Amino acid sequence: GDSVTQMEGPVTLSEEAFLTINCTYTATGYPSLFWYVQYPGEGLQLLLKATKADDKGSNKGFEATYRKETTSFHLEKGSVQVSDSAVYFCALGAKGGGADGLTFGKGTHLIIQP
Amino acid sequence: DAGVIQSPRHEVTEMGQEVTLRCKPISGHNSLFWYRQTMMRGLELLIYFNNNVPIDDSGMPEDRFSAKMPNASFSTLKIQPSEPRDSAVYFCASRGLAGASEQYFGPGTRLTVT
Repeated sequence: GDSVTQMEGPVTLSEEAFLTINCTYTATGYPSLFWYVQYPGEGLQLLLKATKADDKGSNKGFEATYRKETTSFHLEKGSVQVSDSAVYFCALGAKGGGADGLTFGKGTHLIIQP
Repeated sequence: DAGVIQSPRHEVTEMGQEVTLRCKPISGHNSLFWYRQTMMRGLELLIYFNNNVPIDDSGMPEDRFSAKMPNASFSTLKIQPSEPRDSAVYFCASRGLAGASEQYFGPGTRLTVT
């Protein structure tokens, strides 16, 4: 079945550091890929998405590129801020908007220190 | 748009009691999903509905769990009887038109069963 693997956390960085959170997936067909962010005490918010190979999703300084050859969707940001501290989830969904739910990774807790 | 609305935000109950969680999806969305989040198991899809019809409930852990969607603007997740291992955060998410795989999450209900 479909699965998503993320790097284990917590990941602790200093403000203005470069961020990479690795995500790889296993899926049949060509799924859509997502990064969601969860701030303390809140629900998940869609951060960015990519629907086909070589697409780059971007939002709020974060980027991720859909790499079919390596089945990866790594999240990057050039300069993190304290406000980026949260849990980040990589997820895949059925291609073409099928009714299936999303398959999530276990989440990576990011801590940014001033 | 008010987003996905869940109630209550927090629920504390004693083992053996019935618990009902409520969700109002985003207006116009035709798919609704119930997830459970725990430290041990991460995010798990419990059940999803398409056009108010349950499509896949294979994630529902036991017969003690049941979900309904009587109309397009309301869904419930019921646990009867509740057990301490049901303690988790329960999220509802909705999705709009076919072809859009992203889901929009509510703030969650934190359930504690003592």
